[in-house]
Amino acid sequence: DTAVSQTPKYLVTQMGNDKSIKCEQNLGHDTMYWYKQDSKKFLKIMFSYNNKELIINETVPNRFSPKSPDKAHLNLHINSLELGDSAVYFCASSQGTGNQPQHFGDGTRLSIL
Amino acid sequence: GNSVTQMEGPVTLSEEAFLTINCTYTATGYPSLFWYVQYPGEGLQLLLKATKADDKGSNKGFEATYRKETTSFHLEKGSVQVSDSAVYFCALSDRGDSWGKLQFGAGTQVVVTP
Repeated sequence: DTAVSQTPKYLVTQMGNDKSIKCEQNLGHDTMYWYKQDSKKFLKIMFSYNNKELIINETVPNRFSPKSPDKAHLNLHINSLELGDSAVYFCASSQGTGNQPQHFGDGTRLSIL
Repeated sequence: GNSVTQMEGPVTLSEEAFLTINCTYTATGYPSLFWYVQYPGEGLQLLLKATKADDKGSNKGFEATYRKETTSFHLEKGSVQVSDSAVYFCALSDRGDSWGKLQFGAGTQVVVTP
């Protein structure tokens, strides 16, 4: 019974394409996040939504557009993919913010050819 | 700004050895501190947390104490197992930033050999 699930698990595509990654959580949480993990394992937050409202928007190219159709879903659409977008993208969720623990999905490995 | 610094890996040790991973932080507000663990091919899992000075977080034999005077949150385990092989991340969430943005350290890979 997966708590935070992301699809697809692997995504291999060409430079210049547009792709989406989907995330769903069944924990009843009200806050969701997208993180990017680079090849050196460094993790950086990209976006966060609380009750479908964007609350964190780090310095991310506007080719990346998150969408939260409801509290249980946070999707990430990426336009005009570039080589530097190759990474593992993690979705996470929490109930509330501040010091609440975040629950992570297993990640989507994006490889740009 | 806020930042987290943790010791570089990989850290390689034998089963039943003592593990310490150093973590220090800088924060403008009153942070909560966390250790997350990432097993191969998986997402991060919360290992333990501490929300105020002198708090000790503990879980699965791991411990870390929030030391405000040294701005540290070092992770320790007295006797590691092969199954503890993973990447460990120290992180903070600054209460001044009320929306729970996690600032991660660079991660420390731990390899435990039989």
